[in-house]
Amino acid sequence: DAGVIQSPRHEVTEMGQEVTLRCKPISGHDYLFWYRQTMMRGLELLIYFNNNVPIDDSGMPEDRFSAKMPNASFSTLKIQPSEPRDSAVYFCASSFGTGQRAFFGQGTRLTVV
Amino acid sequence: QKEVEQNSGPLSVPEGAIASLNCTYSDRGSQSFFWYRQYSGKSPELIMFIYSNGDKEDGRFTAQLNKASQYVSLLIRDSQPSDSATYLCAGMNTGFQKLVFGTGTRLLVSP
Repeated sequence: DAGVIQSPRHEVTEMGQEVTLRCKPISGHDYLFWYRQTMMRGLELLIYFNNNVPIDDSGMPEDRFSAKMPNASFSTLKIQPSEPRDSAVYFCASSFGTGQRAFFGQGTRLTVV
Repeated sequence: QKEVEQNSGPLSVPEGAIASLNCTYSDRGSQSFFWYRQYSGKSPELIMFIYSNGDKEDGRFTAQLNKASQYVSLLIRDSQPSDSATYLCAGMNTGFQKLVFGTGTRLLVSP
């Protein structure tokens, strides 16, 4: 298995633009997590899905952020409109079952100018 | 107060020494704990997990859990320069099924 695949690896966009980050979890994994990492706040959980259903989105910073998982092999995190403070590395991770190790993708480094 | 607290470091140790990384957590419902290593510019990778009170050893790594004190630690024996990285402690509340991370401790191992 190729592991968790995220795209794009890097994204530079202008303030106000829509940004879509993509994730393909490991096949067979039933949990998918979106994290954001910054120097100031570390690794923060934004939202997670179980069997494609959003379970907890309490970490989503505001309504500008939305996430979907239309099927077991694909998820998106959308920011609309983007702001400079959204600049961070966004990680997607997946796991099989609860309490199990999560495997991380390589991350998307987002820069909003 | 963050749910998982770590000293940001850096923790500097000479090659061959024991590195001791510590973590405290506030949620008594947390049942399992994970240590991830993250090299600069890379994604976190799991190196140890522990569910029960006491010690768990895996090669040069030992994880320690004390639920009464709400304390988790990671010991790295015979530290190598390649161990230089940020170490992230994470707790999982089985009721909520999610990992909560500390901000990480940066470890520097000098040759």
